[in-house]
Amino acid sequence: NAGVTQTPKFQVLKTGQSMTLQCAQDMNHEYMSWYRQDPGMGLRLIHYSVGAGITDQGEVPNGYNVSRSTTEDFPLRLLSAAPSQTSVYFCASSRKTGPHEQYFGPGTRLTVT
Amino acid sequence: AQSVTQLDSHVSVSEGTPVLLRCNYSSSYSPSLFWYVQHPNKGLQLLLKYTSAATLVKGINGFEAEFKKSETSFHLTKPSAHMSDAAEYFCVVSEGIYNFNKFYFGSGTKLNVKP
Repeated sequence: NAGVTQTPKFQVLKTGQSMTLQCAQDMNHEYMSWYRQDPGMGLRLIHYSVGAGITDQGEVPNGYNVSRSTTEDFPLRLLSAAPSQTSVYFCASSRKTGPHEQYFGPGTRLTVT
Repeated sequence: AQSVTQLDSHVSVSEGTPVLLRCNYSSSYSPSLFWYVQHPNKGLQLLLKYTSAATLVKGINGFEAEFKKSETSFHLTKPSAHMSDAAEYFCVVSEGIYNFNKFYFGSGTKLNVKP
């Protein structure tokens, strides 16, 4: 199993550009989520999904869109990048219910200039 | 409201001495609890988890944690620190409310290990 994969690993954007961060998992997990990690702030939940076609907002959703057309994939879209979105982004997946941990991808380091 | 508090943002120990990273939580339900480790510029790796079985949980690399319901704590310990333990550690609580799990993260504790 590859687990949770994320692409790209690094990205530099100019203010106003859009892009999609890719996330895929091969564990047939229903629950997938996106976090951003900023120094001193831990991980903050952006969006999550509990199954194909079902998404919801987390703690910091503004400026980001998600969709879940398949169980495996959960892309995160930045509509118009801003310097405040400079961060490290992690995708995670888990079973939807029960005492199960989240599995994390390796992260995408995004810089917006 | 559910919350996770990691009581120390930074902990510094000497190599070979014990490690204690503290975590308190609030939860209205029977939670699952996890500790993750993140080495510099790396992703998050699961150290250990508590899922309502034994209250003393052993994890990887000699770490363990004890679930104390009366104190709502889940502190992480290791008898003897190693230089490779220098990293950031996150305490996470999971609750199965509604019909899916929700995860709550602590703000992290950075562990520094001095030679």
